[in-house]
Amino acid sequence: DAKTTQPPSMDCAEGRAANLPCNHSTISGNEYVYWYRQIHSQGPQYIIHGLKNNETNEMASLIITEDRKSSTLILPHATLRDTAVYYCIVRDTGGFKTIFGAGTRLFVKA
Amino acid sequence: GAGVSQSPRYKVAKRGQDVALRCDPISGHVSLFWYQQALGQGPEFLTYFQNEAQLDKSGLPSDRFFAERPEGSVSTLKIQRTQQEDSAVYLCASSLDRGYNSPLHFGNGTRLTVT
Repeated sequence: DAKTTQPPSMDCAEGRAANLPCNHSTISGNEYVYWYRQIHSQGPQYIIHGLKNNETNEMASLIITEDRKSSTLILPHATLRDTAVYYCIVRDTGGFKTIFGAGTRLFVKA
Repeated sequence: GAGVSQSPRYKVAKRGQDVALRCDPISGHVSLFWYQQALGQGPEFLTYFQNEAQLDKSGLPSDRFFAERPEGSVSTLKIQRTQQEDSAVYLCASSLDRGYNSPLHFGNGTRLTVT
């Protein structure tokens, strides 16, 4: 089973920040949080990952709470092309699986 | 291109036929994963290779599913005697190494339709 919980869907206005939450309350100390997104008819696209510190790259920012039980993916200026399913994943250190949940369907509206 | 390449992009098979799906990972990537994605669902793990060794095949749904990566690069997922419930998108991903600090890079998948 997926180790994460995400809202099934969210809306965001174009040009505004999109803040996508994820709950991973059972995360272990050496497990990374990863975010991917999937646009229709394409494979999942890697966005960002982190262990305990906040991370930022050209696509997004990742904010991880101090207790590591939750995180937020921030798309600073959402565009229509950011409409996709966003998956929050905890990498399983006990094996090699990366388990995907159902994700959050983000709709960016003009 | 530098990404993960999968072929064919679409495959239609009659029930009972065998199919073979190919994955060309990013050059030099040690780890390779196969996933199955049903319509409207997240990807489901099938199997994992580290180089040529298949280290986890716990997600393969039946013994009709077989995967190989004989030289540690290209991988093939074979499905024997296809059934309608095998209809799905099959995704391949690779990562540079086996560490948990190594992102997966996905191909665009093969959409299999069994009629």
